[in-house]
Amino acid sequence: DVKVTQSSRYLVKRTGEKVFLECVQDMDHENMFWYRQDPGLGLRLIYFSYDVKMKEKGDIPEGYSVSREKKERFSLILESASTNQTSMYLCASSSMDWGGNQPQHFGDGTRLSIL
Amino acid sequence: EDKVVQSPLSLVVHEGDTVTLNCSYEVTNFRSLLWYKQEKKAPTFLFMLTSSGIEKKSGRLSSILDKKELFSILNITATQTGDSAIYLCAVEASGTYKYIFGTGTRLKVLA
Repeated sequence: DVKVTQSSRYLVKRTGEKVFLECVQDMDHENMFWYRQDPGLGLRLIYFSYDVKMKEKGDIPEGYSVSREKKERFSLILESASTNQTSMYLCASSSMDWGGNQPQHFGDGTRLSIL
Repeated sequence: EDKVVQSPLSLVVHEGDTVTLNCSYEVTNFRSLLWYKQEKKAPTFLFMLTSSGIEKKSGRLSSILDKKELFSILNITATQTGDSAIYLCAVEASGTYKYIFGTGTRLKVLA
């Protein structure tokens, strides 16, 4: 079974802090994704990566950056946290085959509160 | 702009009822549509649909895709309280790595 592990279930930080959210997958998947989930807005893609050291902006990248130094690990960085970044953050991974992108597997999420 | 719309936004039923959840989409170069179930934690994968008219089934859940009318439905028969969750629909466009998610349907099943 695919396991996607996010480092924290709950996190409370202060405005202006630099925040790191970590995600690790154990299935050698090429693709990794960071989403935020807000009531009424669904899942919105922040960044994704299709290979080590590769990254692509999603739909709402402003205020975030990412790092993928190893295939199994994808980090989301809030450079200077703001209250409007309070949200549930979900990490996902997926593999590619001849048919294209395969279903994403999600971590349990990190509920981040910025005070 | 690509978009995925789910309806209804929320639904309350009693155990034993049958429910139909809807997902319509406008996506350039459609490749696949996925359904997920999200309880308290991670969304869990239910179905992946790529071809029109072919029903996918798992126990009391089934789903079908209509690529001409650009929608999919998820049916749940004989609902149970354990079916209470948010059901998410996501669509992938060919040639991208991304899935576009709908806002979800929140289903509550009462005993």
